[in-house]
Amino acid sequence: DTEVTQTPKHLVMGMTNKKSLKCEQHMGHRAMYWYKQKAKKPPELMFVYSYEKLSINESVPSRFSPECPNSSLLNLHLHALQPEDSALYLCASSQPLSGANVLTFGAGSRLTVL
Amino acid sequence: GESVGLHLPTLSVQEGDNSIINCAYSNSASDYFIWYKQESGKGPQFIIDIRSNMDKRQGQRVTVLLNKTVKHLSLQIAATQPGDSAVYFCAGGSGYSTLTFGKGTMLLVSP
Repeated sequence: DTEVTQTPKHLVMGMTNKKSLKCEQHMGHRAMYWYKQKAKKPPELMFVYSYEKLSINESVPSRFSPECPNSSLLNLHLHALQPEDSALYLCASSQPLSGANVLTFGAGSRLTVL
Repeated sequence: GESVGLHLPTLSVQEGDNSIINCAYSNSASDYFIWYKQESGKGPQFIIDIRSNMDKRQGQRVTVLLNKTVKHLSLQIAATQPGDSAVYFCAGGSGYSTLTFGKGTMLLVSP
């Protein structure tokens, strides 16, 4: 299995809603990532988990809350989002941060905040 | 920090032509570079990578060239096909740091 699976593919939520994005990989990768991507822009790193522990938080607002329940799963909990948070949210995984950090990306979750 | 950018935002080619996508980087300490392809509605897909101690690497229909003197990276796609139409990102990294992505180039292939 060489895939990263993200659900849901599309999500529409109001600013008062609470929702979650989910990511799963079965490649034995021990580093997992959340990226945010706006249209026609490169992915922007949000969070990195290494061995199920949060290792990098790129000063992301607290309305985004990551969780790594185990080595295969990564969640992103969303609460009180703003319309400008509408974007494609990409999950990725890799071997732990090492000399050549090749990321495998999922297809993304397209989030629209109304 | 590291900055990775691209010369051309959009490249239009005819099917069968060779395509060259360019990327400039600023951090000479980068250990490796990766090219990703992102099709509409999909996540970035790994194409090829190159270590900083190399100047050329070839894959299937793709070649990456690295010129450390001028801090320039290019992706050459031979016999470009309509299925190659996508946005291409270069990304660089060093040591145990995470990747830094360039701005992206859209490749449009017309039949």
